[in-house]
Amino acid sequence: QVQLVQSGAEVKKPGSSVKVSCKASGGIFTNYGFSWVRQAPGEGLEWMGVIIPIFGTTNYPQKFRGRFTITADKSTSTAYMELSSLRSEDTAVYYCARVGDYGASHNFDHWGPGTLVTVSS
Amino acid sequence: SYVVTQPPSVSVAPGKTASITCGGNNIGRKSVHWYQQKPGQAPVVVIYHDSDRPSGIPERFSGSNSGNTATLTISSVGAGDEADYYCQVWDSSSDEYVFGTGTKVTVI
Repeated sequence: QVQLVQSGAEVKKPGSSVKVSCKASGGIFTNYGFSWVRQAPGEGLEWMGVIIPIFGTTNYPQKFRGRFTITADKSTSTAYMELSSLRSEDTAVYYCARVGDYGASHNFDHWGPGTLVTVSS
Repeated sequence: SYVVTQPPSVSVAPGKTASITCGGNNIGRKSVHWYQQKPGQAPVVVIYHDSDRPSGIPERFSGSNSGNTATLTISSVGAGDEADYYCQVWDSSSDEYVFGTGTKVTVI
């Protein structure tokens, strides 16, 4: 069965960076895209970007360009997200989510359990 | 960028039908996907491509999409359906994924 296993919770200082991993199993890694979606406490879902590993392409909404990077390691079937210049408003649960059809289905068919990132001085 | 709106909350009696709307300009021309999120859990897709159900999702969940409104319908609602529901589209003009604001379904 499909599993997306994410790294553990992080506590970071303002201005620092955080890197979260998402290891996929139960499917051919390069057949899919992998997105990151975050959810601040008590808030809704916010899309942060996507990577299509087979093409090595990424796409980010304007809000996150320059401060957010998604990478993928095909040899370990793992996607990563890195957010820099952290501020308190970045405190949220960060989810990785799989996108079918080499990223062309444009919906998220499986989700990781989420990783809580807390930004606090 | 494309904006998608949902009612903040919907209340429904047990055994009745809940309808959750997702509004956007000509959303009927886009493919709409719906996610259920229970407290402390990751979202789960319940409807994709407007009206398709993933395996394991009960037939009680159905979807439609036309004009400026997409709708998720849950029939014979039970306590286990209490959750937040989000619609989601992909906006081709901006190449961005967009989530609706979310609707909390309460079984009263």
